Amino acid sequence: DGGITQSPKYLFRKEGQNVTLSCEQNLNHDAMYWYRQDPGQGLRLIYYSQIVNDFQKGDIAEGYSVSREKKESFPLTVTSAQKNPTAFYLCASSMKVAGVGNTGELFFGEGSRLTVL
Amino acid sequence: KQEVTQIPAALSVPEGENLVLNCSFTDSAIYNLQWFRQDPGKGLTSLLLIQSSQREQTSGRLNASLDKSSGRSTLYIAASQPGDSATYLCAAPDGYNKLIFGAGTRLAVHP
Repeated sequence: DGGITQSPKYLFRKEGQNVTLSCEQNLNHDAMYWYRQDPGQGLRLIYYSQIVNDFQKGDIAEGYSVSREKKESFPLTVTSAQKNPTAFYLCASSMKVAGVGNTGELFFGEGSRLTVL
Repeated sequence: KQEVTQIPAALSVPEGENLVLNCSFTDSAIYNLQWFRQDPGKGLTSLLLIQSSQREQTSGRLNASLDKSSGRSTLYIAASQPGDSATYLCAAPDGYNKLIFGAGTRLAVHP
């Protein structure tokens, strides 16, 4: 089935550790995104990528890093510099970044919940 | 900078009722608006995408309208069912590169 797969579903991190969240899509989408969701708040954009080997910071990129070496993969690393990493992380993709001639409709994975111990 | 607000924050209705969820946005220069559903602990499921050239979009018991001039979108759910219980989020573009999400409306439909 086509879709977006995030792993792990649950992750625990100790203080000072880096952790990496995986996101894989088989939709042949060009654009991929990482969002963070905190209780009672809307989703906030961390990073996005429009094409392989290119990515841009979103609104809350500090303490996070990404790579886009393959079209289907967009892993997110939560570094020790992120002061409050406990959150629900959502990966999404769209056919292209929205603009004239395409919809930019966003599709999401099932999310990864990160807890700092 | 785009800001998206959803009202009400929470809604509890008896089964069978028709209901309306509201979404407002500050920058009306949008090319589309998207509605999502989120079940507890899950990702978001796309419900409806309305292009700026459209005034409404329908899928089953769901109907979403878009009024760019007033900066508003509504999601109409007909004949609500307990299975409709979830959080509903709307999202509007900020430029071409990202969507801005509202905080959502948490809907509970009780038998």
